[in-house]
Amino acid sequence: NAGVTQTPKFQVLKTGQSMTLQCAQDMNHEYMSWYRQDPGMGLRLIHYSVGAGITDQGEVPNGYNVSRSTTEDFPLRLLSAAPSQTSVYFCASSYDHGTEQYFGPGTRLTVT
Amino acid sequence: KNEVEQSPQNLTAQEGEFITINCSYSVGISALHWLQQHPGGGIVSLFMLSSGKKKHGRLIATINIQEKHSSLHITASHPRDSAVYICAASNTGNQFYFGTGTSLTVIP
Repeated sequence: NAGVTQTPKFQVLKTGQSMTLQCAQDMNHEYMSWYRQDPGMGLRLIHYSVGAGITDQGEVPNGYNVSRSTTEDFPLRLLSAAPSQTSVYFCASSYDHGTEQYFGPGTRLTVT
Repeated sequence: KNEVEQSPQNLTAQEGEFITINCSYSVGISALHWLQQHPGGGIVSLFMLSSGKKKHGRLIATINIQEKHSSLHITASHPRDSAVYICAASNTGNQFYFGTGTSLTVIP
């Protein structure tokens, strides 16, 4: 099993550009989440999904969109990148809510 | 106000020392999680517990539900234990509350 994979590992965007961060898991987990990690702050939940076709907002959803068309994939879209979105992004999956989460390796995004 | 507070923020220890990292939480939880983030950035789950104590190798995690407090202990610390340790609380509503982490450096 590859676990949770994320692409790309690094990305530099200009303000206003859009892009999609990819996340996939091969553990047949229903729950998937996107977090951002900023210096001096804990991981913050952006969006999450409890199964294919179902998504919901987390703590910091503004500027991001998600969709869940399959159990395996949970892409995160930045609609119009802003410097405030410079961060490290982690995707995670779990079998059930509140259970052990498996994290992807992260994507380091810089918006200039 | 942070729902999960960790202490200390930074910790330096000599190889072989016994290490304790503390976590207090203010929300109702279904489980308490300890995560490890290595300098390369990857995050792995160490423990998930809702009561009592769990042990894995040199790592021990305890939780006191009444006091809303958990501790992570590392016995016979080693330089490879150097990492950021993150405490997180989860509830039945798919919410995870993360602490800001404890940065541990173990010196040979």
